Amino acid sequence: DGGITQSPKYLFRKEGQNVTLSCEQNLNHDAMYWYRQDPGQGLRLIYYSQIVNDFQKGDIAEGYSVSREKKESFPLTVTSAQKNPTAFYLCASSTGSHGGELFFGEGSRLTVL
Amino acid sequence: RKEVEQDPGPFNVPEGATVAFNCTYSNSASQSFFWYRQDCRKEPKLLMSVYSSGNEDGRFTAQLNRASQYISLLIRDSKLSDSATYLCAVNTGGFKTIFGAGTRLFVKA
Repeated sequence: DGGITQSPKYLFRKEGQNVTLSCEQNLNHDAMYWYRQDPGQGLRLIYYSQIVNDFQKGDIAEGYSVSREKKESFPLTVTSAQKNPTAFYLCASSTGSHGGELFFGEGSRLTVL
Repeated sequence: RKEVEQDPGPFNVPEGATVAFNCTYSNSASQSFFWYRQDCRKEPKLLMSVYSSGNEDGRFTAQLNRASQYISLLIRDSKLSDSATYLCAVNTGGFKTIFGAGTRLFVKA
């Protein structure tokens, strides 16, 4: 079945450590996205990528980094520069021709102790 | 002002009731509009796309009012399984989609 796989689902880290969240899709979608969701808030865009080897900052990119070396993969690194990294991280993809029709992975819940 | 704003909720309704959610957006150049459903601690899933004057899918009807810059979602004959958070999303062109904070719905027996 086609879909988006995020790993790990739950992650605990100490302050000051970088963490990398994995996102893989087999939907053959061109565009991929990372969103962050905090309790009681909507999704906020961190980074997005329209094609391989290209990505753009979203609204809250500070303290995060991404790469897009393969069409299927869009990993997100949460660096120690991110002030409040505890959140629910959602990876999504779209065909590109329908920019708002997003397919989401199951999410990664990061807790920084 | 937030770019996309939704009714604060929560909405508590009995089974069989009709419930409506509103969502306003600030960017008049917004091009496409969506409703997503999100269950507790799960990922959002696309419920409906709203491209023109509105569309209907079974018990769900979405309306778009470009002049007033709002969209709505109407759920008729509410089921227990409709209990979830409903997120409004607005695409401002290209690859940027802005989400509202969501409205929680509780349907009670």
